[in-house]
Amino acid sequence: AQSVAQPEDQVNVAEGNPLTVKCTYSVSGNPYLFWYVQYPNRGLQFLLKYITGDNLVKGSYGFEAEFNKSQTSFHLKKPSALVSDSALYFCAVRPWGGNAGNMLTFGGGTRLMVKP
Amino acid sequence: DVKVTQSSRYLVKRTGEKVFLECVQDMDHENMFWYRQDPGLGLRLIYFSYDVKMKEKGDIPEGYSVSREKKERFSLILESASTNQTSMYLCASSLPQGRKGTQYFGPGTRLTVL
Repeated sequence: AQSVAQPEDQVNVAEGNPLTVKCTYSVSGNPYLFWYVQYPNRGLQFLLKYITGDNLVKGSYGFEAEFNKSQTSFHLKKPSALVSDSALYFCAVRPWGGNAGNMLTFGGGTRLMVKP
Repeated sequence: DVKVTQSSRYLVKRTGEKVFLECVQDMDHENMFWYRQDPGLGLRLIYFSYDVKMKEKGDIPEGYSVSREKKERFSLILESASTNQTSMYLCASSLPQGRKGTQYFGPGTRLTVL
């Protein structure tokens, strides 16, 4: 069975500084990897995904994520954080193949706090 | 844009009541999902459906059932609500896995069972 770990419950960063939100995964075979963001009292919004190809994936709002197969990681990054980036971030993984390939497994979430 | 709507943003029910949560998507997606979200636990899949009248259990199906009579609508049913089902419920839809379907989420229903 697949699993996702987000080792930090909260990440604090000053506005203008780079940010990283960590994610590691476990899955049989090749993964599909996703990042979602949730603003207060809202549903999840898709940020970016890795399917195949370039290990550096660019997404919405200036975010990017780097797929590292040897470390089974998919960390979310942004060069310069904004206060408006403060939200709850979820990493998710999905295996290839069959109906199970439709199911996402989510990490526990990381709260990002960007202070002015 | 994909739009996924949920019938209620906030719902308060009593223990033992039968509860229906409705989800509608307007993008002709084959797959639909119900999750619950609890602090520190992330999102956990309750059920998903890959076609009309088809369903599969997720990680935590106990105490829940689902209905998908039409492609655009997926209902989550709590047969007899209990206080441990107080949670945020999120619906999502996607194209099939073979088409690399990203899941798109509704705004969520915060259910409180008293």
